[in-house]
Amino acid sequence: EAQVTQNPRYLITVTGKKLTVTCSQNMNHEYMSWYRQDPGLGLRQIYYSMNVEVTDKGDVPEGYKVSRKEKRNFPLILESPSPNQTSLYFCASSLLTDTEAFFGQGTRLTVV
Amino acid sequence: GEDVEQSLFLSVREGDSSVINCTYTDSSSTYLYWYKQEPGAGLQLLTYIFSNMDMKQDQRLTVLLNKKDKHLSLRIADTQTGDSAIYFCAVRDDKIIFGKGTRLHILP
Repeated sequence: EAQVTQNPRYLITVTGKKLTVTCSQNMNHEYMSWYRQDPGLGLRQIYYSMNVEVTDKGDVPEGYKVSRKEKRNFPLILESPSPNQTSLYFCASSLLTDTEAFFGQGTRLTVV
Repeated sequence: GEDVEQSLFLSVREGDSSVINCTYTDSSSTYLYWYKQEPGAGLQLLTYIFSNMDMKQDQRLTVLLNKKDKHLSLRIADTQTGDSAIYFCAVRDDKIIFGKGTRLHILP
């Protein structure tokens, strides 16, 4: 089954403790991206990647890192999480930049 | 930069038609999309329209595109309780740009 898998689905952590949210897709897609969804703000793009070893900042990259060492995986790294990064995070992938995007189920992160 | 606007809430009686509207600022998008987000789930592509089309119909869904006014709408005929969700309008250049989403509430 074609899918985008994020882990974990839920995470509660403390300020400053490094964490990684994983994202994996099995569709051989070139393009992957991370979004955060906040009430009243909709979806905002954090980072995206056009291909392996190619990553670019989205609209709200501060406090986040990503890597794209292989095509299927695109982890989101928070080196020193802060409470303002409490949010619902979505990973998405698509074959090209102009084709349907498939979304993961989301990761609800709470930083206390 | 690109901006996509849509109203935040819509209430419709079961059985009626729902119309969700969206306006955008950039006209270079090849495709325009409607995504649906059900509670606790990620976004799923509901339908899309190619930028050189005016209308697309898919069962209960009708998408209308007015390029001159940069206006996109989604009509859901015979709205059911299962249609209750947040609907996102989206356009695309080098990345997807989403509206803030319209929460569709179905009244009995």
